[in-house]
Amino acid sequence: SYVLTQPPSVSVAPGQTARVTCGGNKIGSEAVHWYQQKPGQAPVLVVYDDRDRPSGIPERFSGSNSGNTATLTISRVEGGDEADYYCQVWDDRSDVVVFGGGTKLTVL
Amino acid sequence: QVQLQESGPGLVKPSQTLSLTCTVSGGSISRGVYYWTWIRQHPGKGLEWIGFIYSSGSTYYNPSLKGRLTISVDTSKKQFSLNLNSVTAADTAVYYCARASSYNYYFDSWGQGTLVTVSS
Repeated sequence: SYVLTQPPSVSVAPGQTARVTCGGNKIGSEAVHWYQQKPGQAPVLVVYDDRDRPSGIPERFSGSNSGNTATLTISRVEGGDEADYYCQVWDDRSDVVVFGGGTKLTVL
Repeated sequence: QVQLQESGPGLVKPSQTLSLTCTVSGGSISRGVYYWTWIRQHPGKGLEWIGFIYSSGSTYYNPSLKGRLTISVDTSKKQFSLNLNSVTAADTAVYYCARASSYNYYFDSWGQGTLVTVSS
């Protein structure tokens, strides 16, 4: 089955740019979605279809996807961005939803 | 703004059936553009897709749970349900219901989640 690989953790100072990667075989040909999950809360969709933002999500959140890597970029990081981030695709070869293992973003 | 709310027992005995219901408000469950989904998260772990159901009743299940799993929908009550039988401690998790776009299968609305513990 399709596997999505994320780094376990990413650290960034406030005001800097954080990049969370999601690796998968030819992931550039898939639609990738990203979720933010804060402790004790349900996940929230922050980017869908590689680069689109739901209403209410700040423009600081952006996405890209090419080759074997999709990236969630968070610009001008704030303390409130500290959370776990998950990437997700639909594997249409197996008809299953696949999540990455998650990345813990720490704001230093 | 659609809202989803899980309900069901927080404690289930081993070998019994875990049953949860998700109630949808603020939107239609029978409008055929969404998949109604169950996702779980083991303590301290990542997200695991369980399966989803279309308003017509067609289902997609995680192969690792197929055989123990049934997802059903009652459009008249605006509810969909999860039944997972023969549970073990490995099924202890927070269970979320969510709404998935039928276009690219992203989850744009989630319930708050409910912790289900499997223990005698």
